[in-house]
Amino acid sequence: GQQLNQSPQSMFIQEGEDVSMNCTSSSIFNTWLWYKQDPGEGPVLLIALYKAGELTSNGRLTAQFGITRKDSFLNISASIPSDVGIYFCAGLRAGGTSYGKLTFGQGTILTVHP
Amino acid sequence: AAGVIQSPRHLIKEKRETATLKCYPIPRHDTVYWYQQGPGQDPQFLISFYEKMQSDKGSIPDRFSAQQFSDYHSELNMSSLELGDSALYFCASSLEGLRTGGTDTQYFGPGTRLTVL
Repeated sequence: GQQLNQSPQSMFIQEGEDVSMNCTSSSIFNTWLWYKQDPGEGPVLLIALYKAGELTSNGRLTAQFGITRKDSFLNISASIPSDVGIYFCAGLRAGGTSYGKLTFGQGTILTVHP
Repeated sequence: AAGVIQSPRHLIKEKRETATLKCYPIPRHDTVYWYQQGPGQDPQFLISFYEKMQSDKGSIPDRFSAQQFSDYHSELNMSSLELGDSALYFCASSLEGLRTGGTDTQYFGPGTRLTVL
C-alpha cells in the first residue's frame, strides 16, 4: 500500500536551533497535513497544505507542499522546550476508494535541550 | 473552539470481552474516521463514515464494527478482544469530507487507551 517515508526518525537539538523534517512518497497526494502528538494524546493539527508548491507558515512553523505532490517538509525555527513531541506528516488522496484515508509517516521524535 | 470528544479515555478489558468506544465529532462535521495507534507506531486507518454511511474501510478486523448515528456521533464496537488490540484508538472528524473528494482537514480527538489483559 501507500507509504510515507518520514525523516529523520529522531532529533536532539538545543533550544533556539532550527529544525527541518520531511516526508516523501512514491504516490501522489492531494493534501499534506502536519500534526504534533504528545505522549498519550491525540495528534494536533499544525499546518494543512492543499496545493502543489504551496508554502504556509503558522508562527515559527513553515511547511511546503512539493511540486511533484510526492513530498512535503516542515521547518521549525528558534525551537523552544515545548516543541518537544512527535511530529507526523500525513497525506490524503481524493477520489477512488480512498476517501479521507490519511496515510501517516513514521513520525519524527523531537527533543529540545534547554 | 469545540473539539472532538472521545469516551472513555481509558478502558481496561479482559481477553474475549467486548468494548465500545464513542466519538462525538466537532459540531457541524459530517465525517468521522477511526484510527488505531500501537506503541511507537503511527496511526493506522480503520474505517470512516460520511452521513451515517460507511465510506472507506482500512485494516479493521472482522471482530470490529462501527456505525455513525443520526446526530453524527460514532461508536466503534470491538468483540472477542485480543491482547494485540491494546492500543490508542483515535477518532477524527472533518466537514464535507466526501463531498469535496476527501480533501478536508481531519481533526483528532484525545483518544481512548484500550488495555486488554
